[in-house]
Amino acid sequence: KAGVTQTPRYLIKTRGQQVTLSCSPISGHRSVSWYQQTPGQGLQFLFEYFSETQRNKGNFPGRFSGRQFSNSRSEMNVSTLELGDSALYLCASSREPTGYQSTEAFFGQGTRLTVV
Amino acid sequence: AQKVTQAQTEISVVEKEDVTLDCVYETRDTTYYLFWYKQPPSGELVFLIRRNSFDEQNEISGRYSWNFQKSTSSFNFTITASQVVDSAVYFCALSGGSGGYQKVTFGTGTKLQVIP
Repeated sequence: KAGVTQTPRYLIKTRGQQVTLSCSPISGHRSVSWYQQTPGQGLQFLFEYFSETQRNKGNFPGRFSGRQFSNSRSEMNVSTLELGDSALYLCASSREPTGYQSTEAFFGQGTRLTVV
Repeated sequence: AQKVTQAQTEISVVEKEDVTLDCVYETRDTTYYLFWYKQPPSGELVFLIRRNSFDEQNEISGRYSWNFQKSTSSFNFTITASQVVDSAVYFCALSGGSGGYQKVTFGTGTKLQVIP
C-alpha cells in the first residue's frame, strides 16, 4: 500500500513569491494535517483537513493556507514568502481526524522549502 | 494551552545500553492523547505509540517500552539494548482539545545517537 506522498521533495523560492505544496494521503485516509519543522521552532502544527473541511488551525499568519480536494489530496499554499518560511513541511494522513481513538497518523517524507 | 517538554536535547549511548527519553506535558484537557514519533535522517516521522489519558498502563513492544504517569504528567520512552538503527530524533507529542477539535503540540525532540 502506497504511503503518504509529498511533492515536490525540494523547492527553492525567492522571497516574495508564493508556493504550493502537495500531499497525497494513503488511500482511504480522509484526514490530512500539515506541519512545519524548523531548527529554531521545532515541529509546529499548521492545519488539519478532514473531508474537505479545515478542522483546526495552528498559530500561523494568513499567508499560510490550505485546502483539501474530494479525493482527500491536500495542498498547502504560502504567499509572499519570507526567509523564515524556509523549513521542512510535513504532511500526515489518517483515517479519522487527529485525536480520535483509532487514529494513527502516517507521515510523508516532507517538502524542504528554501527561501532565498 | 498545551506544552510538551523534552529536556534532553541530545543523548549518546553505546550500543546495547538502555536509554530513557523523557517527556513531560502540560494540558488542561481531561481527555488527551500522547504520542511518540521517531524521525530518522530520511525525514519522515514514524509513529511509535499513542496513549489516551485514561489508560495509564505501561506498554512494551519489543525493545521499546513506555511509562505513562499522570501524577507527574510524564510519558517516558525507554529503549532496551539500543542498536545503531535506533539513532534518530524522537518526538513526544500531545493532542488535546474540546468539542472534537484537536491540536497537536510537539516537544522539541531528543536526538539519540547510538555508538557502535
